[in-house]
Formats: sequence, C-alpha cells, structure tokens
Amino acid sequence: DVKVTQSSRYLVKRTGEKVFLECVQDMDHENMFWYRQDPGLGLRLIYFSYDVKMKEKGDIPEGYSVSREKKERFSLILESASTNQTSMYLCASSSSGYTFGSGTRLTVV
Amino acid sequence: KNQVEQSPQSLIILEGKNCTLQCNYTVSPFSNLRWYKQDTGRGPVSLTIMTFSENTKSNGRYTATLDADTKQSSLHITASQLSDSASYICVVSHSGGYQKVTFGTGTKLQVIP
Repeated sequence: DVKVTQSSRYLVKRTGEKVFLECVQDMDHENMFWYRQDPGLGLRLIYFSYDVKMKEKGDIPEGYSVSREKKERFSLILESASTNQTSMYLCASSSSGYTFGSGTRLTVV
Repeated sequence: KNQVEQSPQSLIILEGKNCTLQCNYTVSPFSNLRWYKQDTGRGPVSLTIMTFSENTKSNGRYTATLDADTKQSSLHITASQLSDSASYICVVSHSGGYQKVTFGTGTKLQVIP
C-alpha cells in the first residue's frame, strides 16, 4: 500500500514563526499536493508538484511556499504564521488515485 | 465552473439502518469520481473509484453508483455501524493534462446506537 507520512499530527506555533510541514511518500509518485481543510470549505489546494524541483500554485497559495528537493518529500512552508492559517493540513500523493496523509492540525496562537 | 455539491451536509442515523449520500457535479471533461471516508482528525481514505463507463461499484457495505448522463453519484451504506461515523467526500477528477480534482465539501454522518 502507498504510504504518505506527515511528520506531525498536531502543532502549535506562535504568530510570526516560520513553520515547516513535512510530507514523505514511499511509492515513487511524481505528483504531490498540499491542501488545507476548514469546516464548511472542504479541501482547498495550496500548492502541488509534478516533479522534483517543480511546483505550481493551487487555489490559495498566499502565505505559503513549498519545496521538493527529492521525489519522495514535499514540504509546505509558512513563511510567517498567522492565526488565519490555523487549519488541518493534508498532504496527498497520486499516480492514478490520491492517497492522503493523516493530516497535521496546526494551531497558530 | 467546475463544482461538486454533496447532500445532505450532515446526517444522523440509527445503527443498523441504511443511508444514501448524494453527489452532483458539473466537472468537465470528466475522468473519474471517488468517494473518500474521513474519520475525525485523520486524512481521507479512498472507498471507491468509478470511471465514465462504470455505474456501480461496491466495497463491502459501501456501494457507489454513477450516472454520467445526469452527473450524479450516490454512496449507499448498508447496515450502518458506529464506525461508519465520519465525513464522506466526493472527489471528481478532470481529464487531460496533469491531474486536477474538485472536492465536494462532504457529508458528515453520525451513526448512533
């Protein structure tokens, strides 16, 4: 089975901190995605990557950046965390179907 | 505009009862449709995937249907169990180019004893 691992289940960070969310997949998938999920809004795409060092903005990229130095690892970076970035963050990897990580619940205080 | 709408938003049923969740979409061109189950605080897990030519697919007590003409899908849960309590998300993929999907906002199901 494809496994997508997110490094943290829960994170609490202070406003203005730089935050790194890590995601690793073990099936050599080219496509990887970062979503955030908020009540009533569903999943919204932040960034995606279809190859190493390649990245594309999704629907809500503002305040975020990403890094894909290796095929298996896709990192989401909050340059200066703000309270409106408190959310559930989901990483996904895909070939013919999506496999999601378990999610990181980030709280910015 | 590509949209996926799910109904109802939330649902409470008694353990052992059946229920049906709905998904209507306007995605074009259509590639496939997936139903995911998401337990609270966890990532979504795939239940079924259906392509244009498939109109029914089962996974245990879960049965998904697809009507590509009317752009509607349903997820039927038979003999519900407490562990079925979760959010169910309909996801429609667009064909052509890199993979692009549109997510529904989900139906929150609560199964009570």
